[in-house]
Amino acid sequence: AQSVTQPDIHITVSEGASLELRCNYSYGATPYLFWYVQSPGQGLQLLLKYFSGDTLVQGIKGFEAEFKRSQSSFNLRKPSVHWSDAAEYFCAVGTYSGGGADGLTFGKGTHLIIQP
Amino acid sequence: EAEVAQSPRYKITEKSQAVAFWCDPISGHATLYWYRQILGQGPELLVQFQDESVVDDSQLPKDRFSAERLKGVDSTLKIQPAELGDSAMYLCASSRLAGGFYEQYFGPGTRLTVT
Repeated sequence: AQSVTQPDIHITVSEGASLELRCNYSYGATPYLFWYVQSPGQGLQLLLKYFSGDTLVQGIKGFEAEFKRSQSSFNLRKPSVHWSDAAEYFCAVGTYSGGGADGLTFGKGTHLIIQP
Repeated sequence: EAEVAQSPRYKITEKSQAVAFWCDPISGHATLYWYRQILGQGPELLVQFQDESVVDDSQLPKDRFSAERLKGVDSTLKIQPAELGDSAMYLCASSRLAGGFYEQYFGPGTRLTVT
């Protein structure tokens, strides 16, 4: 069975500084990887996804992530954070069978705090 | 842009009562998911539908939870009786194939508090 580990429960970053959120996965085959963001009391919004091909993927809101198969990682980065980036961030791995997408397996999330 | 709709947004119920949540996926999305998200955790899949059929309900506590998607469009998740440990956010998602890749779109969720 697949699993996702987000080692950092909380991260505090100053506004304008760079950001990296860590994600490690465990899956026996080529994974489908996602990063979602969740604002308080809201649903999840897809930031970016990795399916195949270029291991550096660009997403919305200036985020990018790099897939490293050798490290089983899919870390999320942003060169300069804004106060509006404060939220909960979830990494997830997806599998596909029977012609459709299976339910995603999520990490426990990283809570991002932005300092002024 | 089309969105996944859920209602109610918030629900407070007493222990042992019945409660139901409704989800309307994005039009044309054949696959629908219900997730439960306990405070401070990531979402966990409860049940997955492909059209009107259940594909995966291995994590659904079937003694008290039920889910249906009768016409393969909207869906209802029911809990009877509710227990204190059921307090959580219940998220609905639907997916479509886009460029050879499935994306899941999430609704705003229903926040359940059991007292």
